Amino acid sequence: NAGVMQNPRHLVRRRGQEARLRCSPMKGHSHVYWYRQLPEEGLKFMVYLQKENIIDESGMPKERFSAEFPKEGPSILRIQQVVRGDSAAYFCASSRPPTSTDTQYFGPGTRLTVL
Amino acid sequence: QKEVEQNSGPLSVPEGAIASLNCTYSDRGSQSFFWYRQYSGKSPELIMFIYSNGDKEDGRFTAQLNKASQYVSLLIRDSQPSDSATYLCAVNTGSSGAGSYQLTFGKGTKLSVIP
Repeated sequence: NAGVMQNPRHLVRRRGQEARLRCSPMKGHSHVYWYRQLPEEGLKFMVYLQKENIIDESGMPKERFSAEFPKEGPSILRIQQVVRGDSAAYFCASSRPPTSTDTQYFGPGTRLTVL
Repeated sequence: QKEVEQNSGPLSVPEGAIASLNCTYSDRGSQSFFWYRQYSGKSPELIMFIYSNGDKEDGRFTAQLNKASQYVSLLIRDSQPSDSATYLCAVNTGSSGAGSYQLTFGKGTKLSVIP
């Protein structure tokens, strides 16, 4: 499967726990974007990374959220001390080294439920 | 704040008719425009992208872009029940100078094709 992979597909956490979401980009892609989709809301940009570098984190909440894309392994979106408002679908997209006209392809998403 | 507006619908069309989906955007500097289809509980799937003013056709789909009016549309000819989904308009509103190519999404238009 050469598409964008995300795991887990579903994640249940209790308030105060940590959530770790993983994303492996499409083969040949080196850039990763994370988006969040709240129930009945549109997709919102969170962060854009390339290997070992955060390019744009302007959409990330200031606290509890962090992201990384190490030299080896998947990109990880980490949410510490989760709250009920973090319940959402989190999508990862990947692209080649982008230009303003390049396309992003989405993974299947991780659906986070906070109890 | 960069915004992308879509009529939320639902838009109902009979099978075989033309479905017309519209989108306006606020950032005049936007350079690329995308239409994604999202089935309930699934991830966004890229349908079309368009960069230049005018029409772009791909099978039953035609994207239209008018940068002067800050307007982009998607026409679906010979609509099928399988086209029933939410259609997301996305605009590349990242700052190319900063090397970011984040997408700003509308909230989507829900299309229902009636057999």
